[in-house]
Amino acid sequence: GAVVSQHPSRVICKSGTSVKIECRSLDFQATTMFWYRQFPKQSLMLMATSNEGSKATYEQGVEKDKFLINHASLTLSTLTVTSAHPEDSSFYICSARKLLPWDEQFFGPGTRLTVL
Amino acid sequence: KNQVEQSPQSLIILEGKNCTLQCNYTVSPFSNLRWYKQDTGRGPVSLTIMTFSENTKSNGRYTATLDADTKQSSLHITASQLSDSASYICVVSARNGGGADGLTFGKGTHLIIQP
Repeated sequence: GAVVSQHPSRVICKSGTSVKIECRSLDFQATTMFWYRQFPKQSLMLMATSNEGSKATYEQGVEKDKFLINHASLTLSTLTVTSAHPEDSSFYICSARKLLPWDEQFFGPGTRLTVL
Repeated sequence: KNQVEQSPQSLIILEGKNCTLQCNYTVSPFSNLRWYKQDTGRGPVSLTIMTFSENTKSNGRYTATLDADTKQSSLHITASQLSDSASYICVVSARNGGGADGLTFGKGTHLIIQP
């Protein structure tokens, strides 16, 4: 099966600092990865689409300067939360798009971010 | 606007019992429908993926159905186990002319299995 990993699984940081979250497709190449945010008992909310070798596409209302996305290779996308504030505390999940045999997304295990 | 509605919002059943979760959608043009299981604090894990021509698909104790005419899907869980306690998310994929599928997520059904 297709495996997607995220690192770290949990992170606690002070307000004003930046945090980087990595998303890796371990056994397939993904030209497209997605970043989601999920609040308790809520559905996943798409933040941005990360395209290898080009700029990410952000959903309406998501600040691109706040959430920096880099997709430097076919197996790695990173999300950096800059100048984090307590309201940025959330569960961040990435997914990687695999085209064959189905056009399907495989999700990472998520990263719990807590900003103090 | 593409929408996916799931019911019930939450469900509590006794271990060993069966249950059925519902998903209604208005996504168009339809590409496929997936059911995911999401344990608390974890990422979603795919249970089934169904295309337009498929009516039923099973994965162990999980059986998904799809009625593309009425735009409804169900996920039936047989002989529930404590480990089935999770959120079950219905996700419908739309296919646009460019070939890039957009996903519409349901809010999920929170299932609790009691011993």
